[in-house]
Amino acid sequence: NAGVTQTPKFQVLKTGQSMTLQCAQDMNHNSMYWYRQDPGMGLRLIYYSASEGTTDKGEVPNGYNVSRLNKREFSLRLESAAPSQTSVYFCASSEFPGSNTGELFFGEGSRLTVL
Amino acid sequence: RKEVEQDPGPFNVPEGATVAFNCTYSNSASQSFFWYRQDCRKEPKLLMSVYSSGNEDGRFTAQLNRASQYISLLIRDSKLSDSATYLCVVKQAGNMLTFGGGTRLMVKP
Repeated sequence: NAGVTQTPKFQVLKTGQSMTLQCAQDMNHNSMYWYRQDPGMGLRLIYYSASEGTTDKGEVPNGYNVSRLNKREFSLRLESAAPSQTSVYFCASSEFPGSNTGELFFGEGSRLTVL
Repeated sequence: RKEVEQDPGPFNVPEGATVAFNCTYSNSASQSFFWYRQDCRKEPKLLMSVYSSGNEDGRFTAQLNRASQYISLLIRDSKLSDSATYLCVVKQAGNMLTFGGGTRLMVKP
């Protein structure tokens, strides 16, 4: 029962370093998402992929890039990390874009600190 | 103004109490509404959808008031295990889900 798997779970970076967060789902879902969660701000959508081969910007895309590698995998890259990107990052998937059930399946989160 | 607003709390209640949270949304064209639950340092999980006529799931009751643009969650007979953050979620046109900042509930023995 893996569901949505994110790696790494924790990471500390220095300003200017780059890194990629990996996400994979085994539920054969079409849509995948990257959110960030900051205290008091709720979850904010960074990028999403409605289906394999497509990606779109969400609410806060600046400083990030994504790749939908195949139907299972959706990665998030920080090219030049900044302290403002210190956050908890969640990958999620759903059967369809904006599934009517409203159900997103989330990974356990990746806690990133940028010094 | 945030699109989805919640009182961050915390709401501190004794076991067995009834507690209610409200959530307001700014976009009158919002289509669907949900409550998610997030335990400390864990991922969010869908608790229940919110239907126009109101709906119950055991001790949980969700209501929608489109005229005033708010949704509510009522928890009866609170359990220690209900302690968590409750996220109000609104589905906008374009199918994207917008999350509120969450309301923290602490149920005490």
